[in-house]
Order: sequence, then structure tokens, then C-alpha cells
Amino acid sequence: AQSVTQLDSQVPVFEEAPVELRCNYSSSVSVYLFWYVQYPNQGLQLLLKYLSGSTLVESINGFEAEFNKSQTSFHLRKPSVHISDTAEYFCAVTLTNSGNTPLVFGKGTRLSVIA
Amino acid sequence: ETGVTQSPTHLIKTRGQQVTLRCSSQSGHNTVSWYQQALGQGPQFIFQYYREEENGRGNFPPRFSGLQFPNYSSELNVNALELDDSALYLCASSATGDSYEQYFGPGTRLTVT
Repeated sequence: AQSVTQLDSQVPVFEEAPVELRCNYSSSVSVYLFWYVQYPNQGLQLLLKYLSGSTLVESINGFEAEFNKSQTSFHLRKPSVHISDTAEYFCAVTLTNSGNTPLVFGKGTRLSVIA
Repeated sequence: ETGVTQSPTHLIKTRGQQVTLRCSSQSGHNTVSWYQQALGQGPQFIFQYYREEENGRGNFPPRFSGLQFPNYSSELNVNALELDDSALYLCASSATGDSYEQYFGPGTRLTVT
């Protein structure tokens, strides 16, 4: 079975400072990796995903994540955060060997950007 | 293109009652998955429907059941509600061939008193 560990439950950071949200996963088979963002009182929005190819993936709003197979990690980074980035961030995995497999989520990291 | 919609937005029920939550999938999507997100937790997979058949189930008891209709919309039914069923229930749709990307609705907040 797969599992996802998000090492920090809360991360406070000042506006325009860099941030890293950590995610480690455990799986005996290959997985695809995702970061989702959840704004207050809303559902989940896909932020970025790693399926194959370059291990560094980027989102349109400045976030990036790097897949590290040897360390089984998929940490999320942003060089300069904005107040609007305040949200809950979830790392998730799914199996690669068949379609329509469910997502397994971590417990989430609450990012609070301070003005 | 219409996104995933869910109804109702909020719901308050009493322990022992039954509840039905509804989800309309994104246009062109034939797979619907349901997740339960308890307060302070990540979403947990309940089950998935593909072409009106249950296509996988998480670690939830049989009192959690579902349906998918020919238009690919879906229902989640929970019988004999318990206090621990209080959570945000999320529906996600996906398309065959691009099924690794799931599109989530805004969720239904269920409170059991």
C-alpha cells in the first residue's frame, strides 16, 4: 500500500520569502505524484503533477516541485510567496500500473503567509 | 466547460439518520470518485464509480454506498449516521485515458449531531 507523509502540519512564512513544503511517500511500485491546494471553504485544485520526464515540474503561479526517486520525496517550493498563497497544501500519489486508481493523500500542510 | 458540482453545500443531520449527497461530473468525464475529508486530515478514498459500476472501494463500511447514473452524475448515500461521519465530502471526476488527473468539486460539509 502507498502512504504519504507531509512532515510539517503548519508553515508560517513572511510575504516575499521562499518556502518549501515537504512530502515523502512510500510505495513498493511506481507512483505518480501530485500537489493539490485547498483554499478556505473550497475543494481541491490541482497545483502540479509528476507523471514522467523531467523530475522538476512547475505550476503557472510560481510553484515548483522536484521528484527525487532515491529519497522518495516530492517537495514543493516557491521562491517568493504572496498573501494569496495562504492555503492548505496536500501531496498525493496514485499507482502508475492502471488507470482510475484512487489518490492517496497526506494530511496536509497549512501555509500561512504573513504580511 | 462545466466543472464538478456538488449539492448541497452544507447539511446537518442527527445520529442514526440517512443522507444522500450528489455530484455532477465534469463534461466528458465517465469516472467519479468520492473522498471523505475529516477536519485537519487529508481526503480519504471512499469508492469510485466507472460506467455505473463500483470500481474500487476504500476502507469504509457498507453503510456507505453509491450510485452512478447514465449521465455519469453520482450519489453518495450514508445510512445510520455516526458522529464521526461529520466531514467534508469531496467528489472528483476523471476521464478514461487521462484518469490520473482528478477534478474536484467544492464539497459538501456534513455535520452529524
